[in-house]
Amino acid sequence: AQSVTQLDSQVPVFEEAPVELRCNYSSSVSVYLFWYVQYPNQGLQLLLKYLSGSTLVESINGFEAEFNKSQTSFHLRKPSVHISDTAEYFCAVSVGGFKTIFGAGTRLFVKA
Amino acid sequence: ETGVTQSPTHLIKTRGQQVTLRCSSQSGHNTVSWYQQALGQGPQFIFQYYREEENGRGNFPPRFSGLQFPNYSSELNVNALELDDSALYLCASSHIDGGGNVLTFGAGSRLTVL
Repeated sequence: AQSVTQLDSQVPVFEEAPVELRCNYSSSVSVYLFWYVQYPNQGLQLLLKYLSGSTLVESINGFEAEFNKSQTSFHLRKPSVHISDTAEYFCAVSVGGFKTIFGAGTRLFVKA
Repeated sequence: ETGVTQSPTHLIKTRGQQVTLRCSSQSGHNTVSWYQQALGQGPQFIFQYYREEENGRGNFPPRFSGLQFPNYSSELNVNALELDDSALYLCASSHIDGGGNVLTFGAGSRLTVL
């Protein structure tokens, strides 16, 4: 069975500071990895994904995540955050086309 | 390209009642998944439907059941409602084509059980 652990429930950070949201997963088989974001009063949407190939993946709004197989991690980073990045971020794993398992979420709060 | 739509957006039921939630998948998607998101928690996988059959289920009792229709729309039915069933219920559609099962979510149906 697969599981996802997000190590921080809340991350407060000042605007323009860097941020890292941590995610570790457990699986006995190869998985696909995702980060989804939920902005206030909106639905979940895909931020970025790792399926295969380069272990560093990027989103259109400056976030990046690196797949580390040896450490079973998929941490999300952004070098400089903006107020509009305030949201809840969910790490998720999926085996093939089967079910996707989500972590408990990390609430990123960007302060001015 | 239409997104995923869910109805109703909010509803209130009493313990012991039954509820049906509805979902229309994104155009071109052939798979639908249902999730329960309690306040302050991540989405919990209920089940997934592909070709009108359940092809995966999470740790939910049989009183949670579902249907997928030929047009890929879907229903989630919950019988004998309990107070702990109060949550946001999310529907997500995807296309199983080796692309990693990227989910497109609806805005959710918020169920309150009194």
